[in-house]
Amino acid sequence: AQSVTQPDIHITVSEGASLELRCNYSYGATPYLFWYVQSPGQGLQLLLKYFSGDTLVQGIKGFEAEFKRSQSSFNLRKPSVHWSDAAEYFCAVGARNAGNMLTFGGGTRLMVKP
Amino acid sequence: DAGITQSPRHKVTETGTPVTLRCHQTENHRYMYWYRQDPGHGLRLIHYSYGVKDTDKGEVSDGYSVSRSKTEDFLLTLESATSSQTSVYFCAISAKQLSVNTEAFFGQGTRLTVV
Repeated sequence: AQSVTQPDIHITVSEGASLELRCNYSYGATPYLFWYVQSPGQGLQLLLKYFSGDTLVQGIKGFEAEFKRSQSSFNLRKPSVHWSDAAEYFCAVGARNAGNMLTFGGGTRLMVKP
Repeated sequence: DAGITQSPRHKVTETGTPVTLRCHQTENHRYMYWYRQDPGHGLRLIHYSYGVKDTDKGEVSDGYSVSRSKTEDFLLTLESATSSQTSVYFCAISAKQLSVNTEAFFGQGTRLTVV
């Protein structure tokens, strides 16, 4: 069975600073990987996804993520954080042969200091 | 935004009472899912459906049942609510098997409190 670990429960960065959110996965084959963002009181919005090909994936809102098979990681990055990026971020792995199910990590809450 | 409506958005209920949450979609997507969100656990799959009357269990299905009699509606029922089922419940939909052109869309969530 697949699993996802987000080691950092909370992260605080200053506005304008760079950001990296960590995600490690466990899956027996080539995974589908996703990053979602959840603003307070809202549902989840897809930031980006990886299925195959180029291991550096560009997403919305200036985010990118890099798939590293050797490290079983899919870390999310942004070069310059904006106050509006404060939210909770979830990494997820998708099972190719199990009805589209997603397995989520525990989430990382990002706070942005002015 | 994808056409997903969850109802109710908030509910407080007493232990031992039955509760039904509804997810309604207007996208005609084949797959529908119920997740619960709890601090430190992210989202965990309760049940999912891959077509009308076709459902299967997820990771945390005990104490929950589902039904899908129409493409657009996926109901989640707590037969006898317990305090451990206090959570935020999310419905999600997707058109088909995950691929580069497919993604899952999430509803706004239902906050359920069992007292």
